[in-house]
Amino acid sequence: GAVVSQHPSWVICKSGTSVKIECRSLDFQATTMFWYRQFPKQSLMLMATSNEGSKATYEQGVEKDKFLINHASLTLSTLTVTSAHPEDSSFYICSARLQGARGSPLHFGNGTRLTVT
Amino acid sequence: GQQLNQSPQSMFIQEGEDVSMNCTSSSIFNTWLWYKQDPGEGPVLLIALYKAGELTSNGRLTAQFGITRKDSFLNISASIPSDVGIYFCAGQLKNNNDMRFGAGTRLTVKP
Repeated sequence: GAVVSQHPSWVICKSGTSVKIECRSLDFQATTMFWYRQFPKQSLMLMATSNEGSKATYEQGVEKDKFLINHASLTLSTLTVTSAHPEDSSFYICSARLQGARGSPLHFGNGTRLTVT
Repeated sequence: GQQLNQSPQSMFIQEGEDVSMNCTSSSIFNTWLWYKQDPGEGPVLLIALYKAGELTSNGRLTAQFGITRKDSFLNISASIPSDVGIYFCAGQLKNNNDMRFGAGTRLTVKP
């Protein structure tokens, strides 16, 4: 149980275009989902907390207009990288926690490797 | 944000050897977790710890939640080649909904 599916697993786009990444909790409901970014050989950096039915909470230094987050249902959160640039190339990972289970472990998707050319 | 100091940064060991890694922090955490990440994939939960002093095993893996709530260690016994990967500790603060991660320990196991 507690499976998180992330799509696509990889994407290549041209500079200036926008890319949408989906994160789905397949067998549980998640009021809150989290979006991380990971550079090669580095740890996961929290970008934002996605809250179902309300605005996302962004970490300091993360541009909310650049990284648009929508959490329209209890099983789906999307991250849109707008006007992508080569420096946005990275590994993006989402995670989710069982609804109402504060303190329970996060379950991660398999990540999306974004390459901006 | 609250920082987790994970060490060692990397380890090169022979198959069959035991491995130990740890995380420390200046902050008190409510929950400690250990994840393993294979290349190009998301982290997978290995062990979750919820109480200070708790010692939990998962097969060849053993992890402990430090008494001070500021540290945790992970031991892997009798390592095998598939143990290769990056191991992350993660801590959750009390009354906080997100997790903070250590920098990771990159484990290489030589057959």
